[in-house]
Amino acid sequence: DVKVTQSSRYLVKRTGEKVFLECVQDMDHENMFWYRQDPGLGLRLIYFSYDVKMKEKGDIPEGYSVSREKKERFSLILESASTNQTSMYLCASSLGKEPQHFGDGTRLSIL
Amino acid sequence: QQQVKQSPQSLIVQKGGISIINCAYENTAFDYFPWYQQFPGKGPALLIAIRPDVSEKKEGRFTISFNKSAKQFSLHIMDSQPGDSATYFCAASPHPYKYIFGTGTRLKVLA
Repeated sequence: DVKVTQSSRYLVKRTGEKVFLECVQDMDHENMFWYRQDPGLGLRLIYFSYDVKMKEKGDIPEGYSVSREKKERFSLILESASTNQTSMYLCASSLGKEPQHFGDGTRLSIL
Repeated sequence: QQQVKQSPQSLIVQKGGISIINCAYENTAFDYFPWYQQFPGKGPALLIAIRPDVSEKKEGRFTISFNKSAKQFSLHIMDSQPGDSATYFCAASPHPYKYIFGTGTRLKVLA
């Protein structure tokens, strides 16, 4: 079974902090994704990566950056956290055109 | 257009009834339509998916109906059970890796 692990289930940070969210997958998938999930808005793609050191902006990249130094790990970075970035963050991975597999999410609160 | 419109936002069904969730899209380049199921505290998990070369796909109690000319697709849950209570997301893929998600439907099945 594919395992996508997000390092924290809950995280509380302060405005202006630099925040790192980590995601690791154990199935050698080349594609990895970061989404945020908000009530009534569904899942919105922030960034995705189709190879090590490769990244592409999704639909809502503003205020975020990503890093993929190793195939199994994809990090989401909030450069200067703001209260409107309080949300559930979901990481996913996939192999080629196969379906995406999701982690259980990180609920991030920015105070 | 890159949107996927999902309805209803919430749904209450009696045990044994049929749950129906609808999605509509505009971009004819979409070529893969997955449905995801999400339980509280968990990430979305793939439930069933369809490609536009077929009009229906059935897996157990779950059926996707696909109407290519109308650019609509729907999820039918037959004999709905309390354990089906979850949030359901439709998605469409305009790209080998990317999904566009609907806004979600919260289903509650009454015992």
